[in-house]
Amino acid sequence: AQKITQTQPGMFVQEKEAVTLDCTYDTSDPSYGLFWYKQPSSGEMIFLIYQGSYDQQNATEGRYSLNFQKARKSANLVISASQLGDSAMYFCAMNNNNDMRFGAGTRLTVKP
Amino acid sequence: DTGVSQNPRHKITKRGQNVTFRCDPISEHNRLYWYRQTLGQGPEFLTYFQNEAQLEKSRLLSDRFSAERPKGSFSTLEIQRTEQGDSAMYLCASSKIRRQGGETQYFGPGTRLLVL
Repeated sequence: AQKITQTQPGMFVQEKEAVTLDCTYDTSDPSYGLFWYKQPSSGEMIFLIYQGSYDQQNATEGRYSLNFQKARKSANLVISASQLGDSAMYFCAMNNNNDMRFGAGTRLTVKP
Repeated sequence: DTGVSQNPRHKITKRGQNVTFRCDPISEHNRLYWYRQTLGQGPEFLTYFQNEAQLEKSRLLSDRFSAERPKGSFSTLEIQRTEQGDSAMYLCASSKIRRQGGETQYFGPGTRLLVL
């Protein structure tokens, strides 16, 4: 069975600094998609970035980049130049054969 | 606004009552998902539709839960005889297929249910 693990319940980062949120996954299927979502206190899940299992390059979307290490089964999210508005819950997810699983999330707090 | 919308945003009900939630997906998306999220947890998959066909249901979806998507557009999720354990945020998402078997799901704002 596939599984997503986020080992950091909470993280703090100074404004304008970079931060890495960890995510590891487990699947035996060679084809899968990896996602990161942001959930602010308002509750809406906001799509941030996607990485396909066969993608050769790490995905980037603005200040977000995904550090994809396939052999280690990790898909860490890197946020550069943190902003106060980045404070939120962040969820890592994997989609495999239409089965979407989420990790428990990491609460990021950006300090001024 | 062309995003996923959900109604109502909040619902308070008494135990034993029935409730129905609605989700309107992004118009060109043919897949629609329902999730449940409790405090401190990530979303848990409940069910999904491709067009009007319900293709998969989680074992979390007891007989008291039913979902429909009659014309392949909006969807409803009904909970009959609500229990206090049903209190949660119910999230809807719609998707389009991306490359290599992945798909990006776009979420609505959710319906927060409180069962008294």
